[in-house]
Formats: sequence, C-alpha cells, structure tokens
Amino acid sequence: EAQVTQNPRYLITVTGKKLTVTCSQNMNHEYMSWYRQDPGLGLRQIYYSMNVEVTDKGDVPEGYKVSRKEKRNFPLILESPSPNQTSLYFCASSLGQGGLYFGPGTRLTVT
Amino acid sequence: QQQVKQSPQSLIVQKGGISIINCAYENTAFDYFPWYQQFPGKGPALLIAIRPDVSEKKEGRFTISFNKSAKQFSLHIMDSQPGDSATYFCAASLRYSTLTFGKGTMLLVSP
Repeated sequence: EAQVTQNPRYLITVTGKKLTVTCSQNMNHEYMSWYRQDPGLGLRQIYYSMNVEVTDKGDVPEGYKVSRKEKRNFPLILESPSPNQTSLYFCASSLGQGGLYFGPGTRLTVT
Repeated sequence: QQQVKQSPQSLIVQKGGISIINCAYENTAFDYFPWYQQFPGKGPALLIAIRPDVSEKKEGRFTISFNKSAKQFSLHIMDSQPGDSATYFCAASLRYSTLTFGKGTMLLVSP
C-alpha cells in the first residue's frame, strides 16, 4: 500500500529535550515536506526537500532541523523543543507538483 | 503576507444543499490549484485540482470554478452529504515549487 508513515503519532515531552519525528514514504517520491497545523492558522510549511541531500526552509523553520540522506526518509528534528512548538505535524511527499500525499500526523505537546 | 485567502472559516449546510468555499490568490504566476479534504484525526487528502488554462473541472459532486481575471477559485459540493463534513483547504503553487495553503474551512453538513 502506497503511504507516508510517521512516528510517533503522539508525543508529550518537556522543554529542551531533543526529539525526532520520523517520516518515511514507499512511493519513490522525490519531494518531501513537513507542515505544522494549528487552529486558525491552517497548514504552514516548515521545511521541504526536492531530492536527496537538498533541503530548504519553508515558512516557519525556526527551531527545527531536517535531513534527507535517503530518498524515502525525511526526519524532523527539534533540538530544544519549546511550548510554542506544541502542534500537529504532518509529513508529505509527492512525485511532482502539487499532488501531495500526507502522513497521518504527529501530535506533539511540549510542557 | 498571506498569498491564498480562504473563506468562509466555517460553513453549515443542510443535507442535499450546495456547499461553496472560496479562495483568492495574489501571485498571478501560480499555475496549480488543488483542494484538500481533511477528516478529524487524519492527514489532508487531495480532493480535486485545476490548472489555470481551464475555467471549470468537475469530479462527481465536486466542482472547481476558476476565474483567472479575478484571481479567485472556488469549490462547489453539490448534493452535500453528512459524510462530506470535514475541513477543506485550498492551495496554490508555482510550477514545481511548494504549495501555499489557505487557512481552511470547516464544513458541517446537517442531516
């Protein structure tokens, strides 16, 4: 089954404790991206990657890191999480323009 | 600067009625306009998309109307059903660059 998987699905952590949210796709997509979704703000892009070893900032990259060492994986790293990073995070991938496939989401709470 | 403005924020429609969600964009170079549907607890899923060389695209009960001169596009859901209750996002992108999303519309179809 073609899909984007994210882990963990739910995470509660404390301020300053480094965490990684993994993302993997099995569709051989070149483009991958991370979004956060907050009430009233819609979907905002954090980082994206056009291909392996190529990443770029989205609209809200502060406090996040990414890496793209393999085509299928695109982890999101929070080096020192803060409460304002409490959000619902989505990973997505696509072959080309627009047709994004989204993962199921990771709900992160930072206390 | 919000490049894609979506309205209304929320919408209640009776079963069998027509749901209409509107979006306006600023960048005339955008060339791909998708709509995404999101159910609670799920990631957004591509519903229907249009390119600016056509004024209308229909897939089942869902229709996109596109007005290039007004820089507006809208989603029409005919014969709305309770199962259509979800959050809908419009988006726009420029060639093979990243998608910019509207803030979303919560649609409730009452039985």
